[in-house]
Formats: sequence, structure tokens, C-alpha cells
Amino acid sequence: DIQMTQSPSSLSASVGDRVTITCRASQGISNYLAWFQQKPGKAPKSLIYAASNLQSGVPSKFSGSGSGTDFTLTISSLQPEDFATYYCQQYNSYPLTFGGGIKVEIK
Amino acid sequence: QVQLVESGGGVVQPGGSLRLSCAASGFTFSNYGMHWVRQAPGKGLEWVALISHDGSNKYYVDSVKGRFTISRDNSKNTLYLQMNSLSAEDTAVYYCAKGGHPPQYIDYWGQGTLVTVSS
Repeated sequence: DIQMTQSPSSLSASVGDRVTITCRASQGISNYLAWFQQKPGKAPKSLIYAASNLQSGVPSKFSGSGSGTDFTLTISSLQPEDFATYYCQQYNSYPLTFGGGIKVEIK
Repeated sequence: QVQLVESGGGVVQPGGSLRLSCAASGFTFSNYGMHWVRQAPGKGLEWVALISHDGSNKYYVDSVKGRFTISRDNSKNTLYLQMNSLSAEDTAVYYCAKGGHPPQYIDYWGQGTLVTVSS
């Protein structure tokens, strides 16, 4: 199985900060990487697919990059509604696997 | 717009069975693969199963193989998850999710239904 590693497990940031979250795959997954946002008590929301493509309706302050094993999600200017947990997921091979999530908290 | 509404969750005893349903609307259901993803209390997301658009191909995480069965009824726009031999480790919120292109990618999620396995 492909292991997806997100670190750190949480980070503190201020409104207006530029935030970059990393995700590493245990083996190459080309660009078959998605990012999801989840707020407490809510269902996840799809943000990015194919490593760098924005899901319809997602604001352009979110961007993704990477290929192979190393990927990043960047939020250009953190807003109060962006404080949440972010998960990466590989869909290159079965079983599909998620990273452990990174909780972005208010500093 | 895409709507996915899960139902069927509840409390079940260890060793018991439960069937989850997911009613889909807002898109042509028969054209898309569909997923089940679960989240144990306070934990991260775990992919459970995927079924192809026509039901001909099914994929599972190892921990549920032989116990869970994913199925769909395209005439009713409904996805199912039959869960047997349940244990405490299956306690989670179960999300129905729509596949995109390729179907392994998830683009929309339901609100989830809670399954609690407890005596």
C-alpha cells in the first residue's frame, strides 16, 4: 500500500499568512493526488485534483503543486474560514490512501 | 447541484450487520463511479470501497474485504454498502462520495451517516 505522510500534524498561523502544507507519498504516484478540506463536524470538501487542478468553485487562493512523491498545498492569504484540517489522498493505485491530515489553527 | 444523502446508520452489536444507502441527485448517476469513505471518531479519513459506473468493478480496502459489499442500483440512483461481521473497529461516520474523471478521484461528498458498533 502507498503511505501518505503529512507533516506536521498541526500548524498555527495568522489571518493573512501564506501557508504551505506538504504531503509525501511512499512511492511515486505521478500526479494522482487530491487535497480535501474538512471543518469540525462537517463532511470533507474537495479542493484540488491531479495535484494542481482546482475543483470547480474553489477559490484561487488555493493552489497545489508537485509530482512523483512530493506535493504541496498553498493557501495564499489565510482567512478565518480556512482554519480546518487538510488531507491529501493518492488515487494512483488501490487501496486509495489518505494522509493523516494537517490541522491549521489560529495563532 | 450534486446531492448525496446517506442513510441507514445506527447502533449495531458486534457481529451484526447493517446496510447503508446513499441517494444521489443532480448528476447522471449511471455515468460515475462511487465511493464509500469512513472516519472513526477523532481520526482521519479511510477509503473503504469504490464501484464502477456500471457496477462491474468493485475495489475494497483489505480490512473490509469479505465483510463489506458495495453495490448500486442505477435505476434508483442509489449506492449501497452492506456491512457484515461488524466489530468496534468499524465504528465511524461513513461518507458516500462521487467519483470524478478518473473515477478514483473524489469530487463530491455526502454529509455522512454514523455507524456505532457496541454491545
